[in-house]
Amino acid sequence: NAGVTQTPKFQVLKTGQSMTLQCAQDMNHNSMYWYRQDPGMGLRLIYYSASEGTTDKGEVPNGYNVSRLNKREFSLRLESAAPSQTSVYFCASIYGQGLNEQYFGPGTRLTVT
Amino acid sequence: AQSVAQPEDQVNVAEGNPLTVKCTYSVSGNPYLFWYVQYPNRGLQFLLKYITGDNLVKGSYGFEAEFNKSQTSFHLKKPSALVSDSALYFCAVRGHNDYKLSFGAGTTVTVRA
Repeated sequence: NAGVTQTPKFQVLKTGQSMTLQCAQDMNHNSMYWYRQDPGMGLRLIYYSASEGTTDKGEVPNGYNVSRLNKREFSLRLESAAPSQTSVYFCASIYGQGLNEQYFGPGTRLTVT
Repeated sequence: AQSVAQPEDQVNVAEGNPLTVKCTYSVSGNPYLFWYVQYPNRGLQFLLKYITGDNLVKGSYGFEAEFNKSQTSFHLKKPSALVSDSALYFCAVRGHNDYKLSFGAGTTVTVRA
């Protein structure tokens, strides 16, 4: 049982490049989330997927797109990276609709130059 | 809109002394409250939660938290801190009919030997 896995662990992009962050969970969880973590700002929700086939915007969705590929996988895409998207990105999942705790992946550290 | 405030960026205590990390929240209706801990270069780990019932909640690693509805607070406590408790601590809240967690900015705890 690997829990929540994320790839890659580190990435450096130039402004304007695109990339996809991958997330997978093997706990049969319904809901999945993408957050970004910036110093002094805690975690901010980018997008979430309450169940397979649904996605919704969070607090800071601009510049991102997501795909809930199946129940296990939830990817985050940056179409045209900007320096403001330099951050640490975390994927999380949860069983049911939120009374349970979220399980977090190890994070992806992204730098956009 | 729901929100969390962690009024202290940093908390410094000596090993063996009590540790308190403060959290206040704002949410419509009954709150669901969580504490998470993050060690350097790792994802967040769940510590404890309040859903309903007893106002004093016990969690992992000897931590506990007290829910105070009148003060809208959910402070994290440990009677005797260890050096290994040094980490970044996040308080989070969600409303009854919401899939989304809102996180505080985090409090860095340093326990000195």
